[in-house]
Amino acid sequence: NAGVMQNPRHLVRRRGQEARLRCSPMKGHSHVYWYRQLPEEGLKFMVYLQKENIIDESGMPKERFSAEFPKEGPSILRIQQVVRGDSAAYFCASSPPSREKTGELFFGEGSRLTVL
Amino acid sequence: DQQVKQNSPSLSVQEGRISILNCDYTNSMFDYFLWYKKYPAEGPTFLISISSIKDKNEDGRFTVFLNKSAKHLSLHIVPSQPGDSAVYFCAGGTSYGKLTFGQGTILTVHP
Repeated sequence: NAGVMQNPRHLVRRRGQEARLRCSPMKGHSHVYWYRQLPEEGLKFMVYLQKENIIDESGMPKERFSAEFPKEGPSILRIQQVVRGDSAAYFCASSPPSREKTGELFFGEGSRLTVL
Repeated sequence: DQQVKQNSPSLSVQEGRISILNCDYTNSMFDYFLWYKKYPAEGPTFLISISSIKDKNEDGRFTVFLNKSAKHLSLHIVPSQPGDSAVYFCAGGTSYGKLTFGQGTILTVHP
């Protein structure tokens, strides 16, 4: 049973470009979460999605950031017009419905975005 | 507003001894707390959790203690092993997987 798969592992963008980060949850998991870790900080919740639904996006910056989890295919976190402050590690996590209320998430290895 | 705080950025322990990692929180609404372990360039891995209605949970070498009146939790690792060297994050959660993490504590276990 493959774990949570994220790609790319490393992404370099220039200011103003777009970044797309992909996440395939573990098999059987229908809940996807995105977290961001800025340098020297803990992980911060961004968004919680189920298939075709955004359940909670309270941690997403109001502009330039969007997320989706389509019926088919991976979840995508999209950052438009990137700025240097977007440089961070972006972690995707998934959980099965049974673990929903325990907080036990299965994390991917992260996508490290560097904005030049 | 830092709802979960890990005040010790690092901890160094000798192999075989006890490691105690501490965490304080301010949000009384957390339903559960968890500890995650993270190696460099990897994602966090779930270690152990505790419901807010319990005061202790044990799993092998790992025990988590919760003191609700003090809003404090701790992770005890006994005996510590060099492979335990990693960054440890505590987190609190209120529902589903929306977790609030602390800043992390780097644990180094010396052989």
